[in-house]
Amino acid sequence: NAGVTQTPKFQVLKTGQSMTLQCAQDMNHNSMYWYRQDPGMGLRLIYYSASEGTTDKGEVPNGYNVSRLNKREFSLRLESAAPSQTSVYFCASCLTAYSNQPQHFGDGTRLSIL
Amino acid sequence: GENVEQHPSTLSVQEGDSAVIKCTYSDSASNYFPWYKQELGKRPQLIIDIRSNVGEKKDQRIAVTLNKTAKHFSLHITETQPEDSAVYFCAARYGSSNTGKLIFGQGTTLQVKP
Repeated sequence: NAGVTQTPKFQVLKTGQSMTLQCAQDMNHNSMYWYRQDPGMGLRLIYYSASEGTTDKGEVPNGYNVSRLNKREFSLRLESAAPSQTSVYFCASCLTAYSNQPQHFGDGTRLSIL
Repeated sequence: GENVEQHPSTLSVQEGDSAVIKCTYSDSASNYFPWYKQELGKRPQLIIDIRSNVGEKKDQRIAVTLNKTAKHFSLHITETQPEDSAVYFCAARYGSSNTGKLIFGQGTTLQVKP
């Protein structure tokens, strides 16, 4: 049981390049989330998908877009990367957003933008 | 606005001593409070959670207490071991929406000295 799988694990981009971070879960979870983690700032929610077919902005959505491709997959896209988007990105999923269920995290994508 | 404050930011204890990490939250409608442990370079992993209908929950050496009136909750680790060294994050679910959104604290780096 793989849980939440993120690809790639590491990536270096130049300013202005675009990129899509992939996330897939095999736990039959309904809700999925994208966070970024920066030193001293904890985890901040970028976008989330409470259920298949829906997406909504979190705390820090600017510069990002998302797609809930199907129940398993939730991708995060940087259209024009900026150095301020250098961070570690985590995808998470939970059984349902409509009750108090724990979120399970992937291993993260370490993204550097030069 | 939605906010979770976590203290201290760093904590150093001797092996065998207890460690306490405290968090406060701003939304009185919050009803779910998970704690995550993150080892260096790894994913955040859920270690314990508490729902608002209980005041305390214990799992072996780890316990969490919740004071809804004061809007704060705490993580207690007893008989600390070197393998407890990690960054710990508290979070609060904002219950005013059906999104499962978690707001995280800034993290506490716990060092357990052998």
